[in-house]
This record gives sequence, C-alpha cells and structure tokens, in this order.
Amino acid sequence: AQSVSQHNHHVILSEAASLELGCNYSYGGTVNLFWYVQYPGQHLQLLLKYFSGDPLVKGIKGFEAEFIKSKFSFNLRKPSVQWSDTAEYFCAVNAAGGGADGLTFGKGTHLIIQP
Amino acid sequence: NAGVTQTPKFRILKIGQSMTLQCTQDMNHNYMYWYRQDPGMGLKLIYYSVGAGITDKGEVPNGYNVSRSTTEDFPLRLELAAPSQTSVYFCASSYGVTQYFGPGTRLTVL
Repeated sequence: AQSVSQHNHHVILSEAASLELGCNYSYGGTVNLFWYVQYPGQHLQLLLKYFSGDPLVKGIKGFEAEFIKSKFSFNLRKPSVQWSDTAEYFCAVNAAGGGADGLTFGKGTHLIIQP
Repeated sequence: NAGVTQTPKFRILKIGQSMTLQCTQDMNHNYMYWYRQDPGMGLKLIYYSVGAGITDKGEVPNGYNVSRSTTEDFPLRLELAAPSQTSVYFCASSYGVTQYFGPGTRLTVL
C-alpha cells in the first residue's frame, strides 16, 4: 500500500514570496504523482501530474513540481505566489499501471498568502 | 459538459437514519470513486467502480454501500448513519489515470 506525507500542514507567506511544499511518498513500485488544489468552498482541481519522462512538470497557474525518484519526493513550487493562491494543497499518488486504482492522498497543506 | 455533479450539497441526518448521496458524470468515464474528507486529513477512498455492474471496496468501506447500474451514476448509500460518518464526501471519475472531482456533499450526523 502507498502512503503520502506532506510535512508542512500550515504555511503562511507574503505575496511575491517563493513557495515550496514538500511531498514524500512510500511505495515499492512505479507511481503516478499528482498535486490537487482546493480553493475555499470549492472542489479539488488538478494542478499538475507526473506519469513518466521529464521529472520537472509544469502545471496551471505557474506551478511546477519535480519528481526525485531517489528521494521519493514530488515537491510543489511556485516562484512568486499571489493572494489568490490561498488554498489547501494535496499531494496524491497511485500505482502506475493500476488502471482504476484510487488515489492515496496526503493530509494536505493549508497555504495562506498575506497581501 | 457539467463534469461530475453531486447532490445534495448539504445534509443533516439523525443517528440511525439512511440516505443516498448521488453522483453523476457526463464525460463517459468508466472509472468512478467515492472519497471522504475529514478535517485535517486527506481524502480516503471508500468505494470505486471500473464500469457498470462492477464495484470494489476502498480503504474505508464500512458503513457504506454502492451500486453502478449505469456508466453515468454511482450512488453512495449510508444505511445506519453514525456520528463517525460526519464528513465531506467527494465523488470522482476518470477515463485513464487522472481523476476529476465533484463539488462534494457535506454530511453531518447528529
């Protein structure tokens, strides 16, 4: 079974600051990796995903993430955050080639951007 | 496309009552899922389905039942509501690996 660990449960930044949210997973095989965002009062939206290939993936709204296989990590980054980035961020994983496998989520990081 | 829709948005139940959470998708996705989200926790998989007539348990299936009679619909049933089932419930669907989520149902059991 997989597990996902997000180390930062609450992060507070000022606008224009750089962001990095940590995500580590535990699984013995090949995985698919995802970052989802949940804005206040809204449902989860996909930010970006990694299946294979270039370990640096770019998503919507200027977010990117880097898959480091040796560290079992998939950290989310953004060079300059905006107030509108205030949200809950979830890292998720499932087994590659698992077809319909459900996602295993981390506990989430609550990000607050101060104007 | 409306995507994944869920009804109701909010519901309060008394202990022991039953109810069905509805989920419909119009993307012709084969795979559908039910998750619950508790405060300070990530989502946990309750049940999933790979197609009409096929369902399987996820990580936390106790107290729930599902059915999948059509590709579009995947209702989740609570037979005897308990306070531990107070949560936000999300339905999701996918064609391949990427899952698309509905807006959620906030359920309170008192």
